[in-house]
Amino acid sequence: QKEVEQNSGPLSVPEGAIASLNCTYSDRGSQSFFWYRQYSGKSPELIMFIYSNGDKEDGRFTAQLNKASQYVSLLIRDSQPSDSATYLCAVNPSGSSASKIIFGSGTRLSIRP
Amino acid sequence: AAGVIQSPRHLIKEKRETATLKCYPIPRHDTVYWYQQGPGQDPQFLISFYEKMQSDKGSIPDRFSAQQFSDYHSELNMSSLELGDSALYFCASSPRLGGDYNEQFFGPGTRLTVL
Repeated sequence: QKEVEQNSGPLSVPEGAIASLNCTYSDRGSQSFFWYRQYSGKSPELIMFIYSNGDKEDGRFTAQLNKASQYVSLLIRDSQPSDSATYLCAVNPSGSSASKIIFGSGTRLSIRP
Repeated sequence: AAGVIQSPRHLIKEKRETATLKCYPIPRHDTVYWYQQGPGQDPQFLISFYEKMQSDKGSIPDRFSAQQFSDYHSELNMSSLELGDSALYFCASSPRLGGDYNEQFFGPGTRLTVL
């Protein structure tokens, strides 16, 4: 079992709709959770981080964390074609320094006009 | 704003050759991370440095070594290159080690091709 699991997609969402991306992790002691966006051939870019249960909103993005279910999600409201990218969920596992993060395989998101 | 600088951006090597990748972190960032991303794969954590000391180690092969210098730049040295080493190598930096979260800023990557 991978430490961080994501549906590889592609997830196709119409422009203006809400895109919902999901991630589960195996290390119950994980403390910090991140969502990165990566365009093809480019470097990952941090979108959101969260470390408390509940929701965290930043503009069109909302991260949701449920530590009991070991589940973290990212909602993108009013999806735009420029949101089309691979979204990587990442986790800072317990027992490691804060410098180590483990990435999931990513979900490819496609926003159709 | 200044970003993470990586050089070279592209590198082509033959099998069994050596390669050196360089990373210059964002000014005042003291922590550097290296990742390897194969085609269609997620970034794999290799190694990290804080204040010139190794702080964490991931799936870095024994053929690879890395260090961080007094000016905080880092170099990843790769020897006895194999075809499977062909990948994008990202460097990231962050302003501190520890704390509740650790926002890592990624460089543009070095694309290594081993023939």
